[in-house]
Amino acid sequence: GAVVSQHPSRVICKSGTSVKIECRSLDFQATTMFWYRQFPKQSLMLMATSNEGSKATYEQGVEKDKFLINHASLTLSTLTVTSAHPEDSSFYICSARDVRNNEKLFFGSGTQLSVL
Amino acid sequence: DAKTTQPNSMESNEEEPVHLPCNHSTISGTDYIHWYRQLPSQGPEYVIHGLTSNVNNRMASLAIAEDRKSSTLILHRATLRDAAVYYCILRDSAYSGAGSYQLTFGKGTKLSVIP
Repeated sequence: GAVVSQHPSRVICKSGTSVKIECRSLDFQATTMFWYRQFPKQSLMLMATSNEGSKATYEQGVEKDKFLINHASLTLSTLTVTSAHPEDSSFYICSARDVRNNEKLFFGSGTQLSVL
Repeated sequence: DAKTTQPNSMESNEEEPVHLPCNHSTISGTDYIHWYRQLPSQGPEYVIHGLTSNVNNRMASLAIAEDRKSSTLILHRATLRDAAVYYCILRDSAYSGAGSYQLTFGKGTKLSVIP
């Protein structure tokens, strides 16, 4: 079945540094990927929709200059948290749509970001 | 997006069937009913989806009410590995743009499986 690989699974960084999270579709092409954020004991919140070869679409309240999304190929999208602060500590999850399975989204295993 | 309502939590004994309910009284005719589950510290996992007819796959069954205002996810024999948060989500298929495939997650039902 379709697999989405997300790395790293866990990262700890100092306040003010930037962190890049990668999301890869391993056996299918993903023209669209989605980035979510999840705080402890809360549900997933959509941050942005990433489209291959074009600019990402951000949800209201999500700073596009802080959360940089690049979707340069059909199998890779990256989320860079710039100048991270402790309040950015969260569980970040990507998902990808396989056009062969229209109604299914496949999710990465998530990245736990801790900003000290 | 049409809203869904699920119980916050449910318990089941291991190897017994589990019926997870979902109410979606404002569902539109083009809304697909999706179920995903999220194990602790993992990304969500697709379980099943349907439009009007009941659906079965190797993971679960989806029973959809005739008026489509509610549905039930059925796990035929709960195992400890089924302990997770189960999300019932509606996706409007009337929109065909790339962003239309985004899913809006609610709070879901936390299923505990008792050995």
